[in-house]
Parts: sequence; C-alpha cells; structure tokens
Amino acid sequence: SQQGEEDPQALSIQEGENATMNCSYKTSINNLQWYRQNSGRGLVHLILIRSNEREKHSGRLRVTLDTSKKSSSLLITASRAADTASYFCATDPDNDMRFGAGTRLTVKP
Amino acid sequence: GAVVSQHPSRVICKSGTSVKIECRSLDFQATTMFWYRQFPKKSLMLMATSNEGSKATYEQGVEKDKFLINHASLTLSTLTVTSAHPEDSSFYICSALGKETQYFGPGTRLLVL
Repeated sequence: SQQGEEDPQALSIQEGENATMNCSYKTSINNLQWYRQNSGRGLVHLILIRSNEREKHSGRLRVTLDTSKKSSSLLITASRAADTASYFCATDPDNDMRFGAGTRLTVKP
Repeated sequence: GAVVSQHPSRVICKSGTSVKIECRSLDFQATTMFWYRQFPKKSLMLMATSNEGSKATYEQGVEKDKFLINHASLTLSTLTVTSAHPEDSSFYICSALGKETQYFGPGTRLLVL
C-alpha cells in the first residue's frame, strides 16, 4: 500500500508561475524523496531530504519537510512548460520505499 | 484506485540461484511497466522499461542478461535475477503505467546469501 499522499491530485498553472505540491505520510521516516515522471516514462529522482533536515534546494526546486506534521512540500519556481509531468513523493518507513499517488502538473505556455 | 501487486514480497536465496519477481496490474491493462531498484537509504533507480509484446528497454549500466524482463501479457511483467549474488540484494519495485499516471507495486525485498 502507498503511504504518501500528494495533493493536489492535479494542478494547472501558467508558465512563469510557481507550483506547490504537498505530500503527507503516516509513519516515521528516514528520508523523503521527490520524483518526476514525464508522460510514458520512468521516474526521475529530483531531491532527497533527510528526516533531520527542514529545507533543501536544488535549482528551481525547494523542498520542505515538517516531521511533526508528517508532511513535505515541493515548490517549483518560475515554472516552464517542460515541467509538465507527474510528481511523486516517496518515503521509506521500513527501509522499503512507499509512494503516493502523485500530482499531475500542467504548465501552460 | 488502480492496484499493482508484486510477488513475492520477500525472498531469500542462495548465491548462484535465479529469482523471479512478478508484477501484476490487477484491475487495468498496462502496456508499459517499469522496474526499479532501491539500495538502502538511496534513491530509486530505473532499471528498465517493460513493454508488452516487445523487448524491454534497459537503462545504461543495467545488465540485460542479468536482469531478464518478460512482459508476456497486458497485466503481467516478470523480472528474473539470474545467478544472483549478494550484491544483487536490494528492494525491487515495479510500476504499471495507467491512463494518467503510474501505479506502484509494494516492492520485493531480495536477500542473496
């Protein structure tokens, strides 16, 4: 079963706007990871944040982690049409990865 | 929602034996399935893309003869780890591509002694 739950399930924005996706999980974790899936392709690893970290940046990506609320957010700044994809969070509560259902992001040019 | 199963969930085998892992989409047909591998505390690594009725597409660095993939039907893909060695011990996850997104199996923990 999937532990993480992303919201919203779908998000549509204009190019240049910021996109924020959230992920909630149920049990304690070692780390939380965000992945991107382009249409019909496999997952691409975006960023990993450890349980003792609160925020992490990678280019236009910003990830926050709140272990007290068991939630994480992924912010994509200055979005581009190429950012259109599904985004998944994954956790490893028992060293085996668990995925959420994903957020489908559409960035309109 | 769509469900993907994997079997077995855990397997322990001796070095040199082969292990087959099944990935099934239970309530939808999937022409494309993906196989991933996760090392402890590391990110997921895409191993191959499994296409029904055709040969799998392997990622760079993944040995085709070591990790045999067969996508025999629209609901079943299998990954066979041939002549397994301790370094093959890992967590293997499959996912099946649905209409709008992909759905993940629960994973298979392989331990090679």
